[in-house]
Amino acid sequence: GENVEQHPSTLSVQEGDSAVIKCTYSDSASNYFPWYKQELGKGPQLIIDIRSNVGEKKDQRIAVTLNKTAKHFSLHITETQPEDSAVYFCAPPSGRRALTFGSGTRLQVQP
Amino acid sequence: GEEVAQTPKHLVRGEGQKAKLYCAPIKGHSYVFWYQQVLKNEFKFLISFQNENVFDETGMPKERFSAKCLPNSPCSLEIQATKLEDSAVYFCASSQTGTSNQPQHFGDGTRLSIL
Repeated sequence: GENVEQHPSTLSVQEGDSAVIKCTYSDSASNYFPWYKQELGKGPQLIIDIRSNVGEKKDQRIAVTLNKTAKHFSLHITETQPEDSAVYFCAPPSGRRALTFGSGTRLQVQP
Repeated sequence: GEEVAQTPKHLVRGEGQKAKLYCAPIKGHSYVFWYQQVLKNEFKFLISFQNENVFDETGMPKERFSAKCLPNSPCSLEIQATKLEDSAVYFCASSQTGTSNQPQHFGDGTRLSIL
């Protein structure tokens, strides 16, 4: 099965700064790499994903980069805003499609 | 609908009682996944369905837990003889197909509290 490690576990930044969260995985056959945002009392919300045929994908202030050789992918949030405060999870699927969640990163954006 | 709908939002049961949770996937999605989220953000996969057929049940506890997805009905997850350790938030997700590169969309979960 897939082993996933996510770092850091907590991240505090000033509003307007950038935030980077890294996820490493073990299964070299993995080909899909999603990031989820979870707010208090809500379910995980898909914010960006990348497939293994590209190295980077950007959507406004959010980007994901993938390094298949090193088996890691990262979430980049630029110009952070207070509403970006949440817990973020990487969750690459296992061979049977179930998502394997990282341990989560609690992002706090200080106004 | 266009969202995964889970009911109830919160369910309280005494230890030993039965608990039943429901999930309506996004219309047109043929795969349903159940996950359990316990303290410290840890997610555990329980079971998945392709339409009404079990696709993967490798995460499902052998005893007390069962699940169904029947045609024209919400999917359900049932826990018999609940234990304190079953207290968690249970999430349902659906995806359009079961290929590994398809996004899964989550409901807002059912918080199960066992007293």
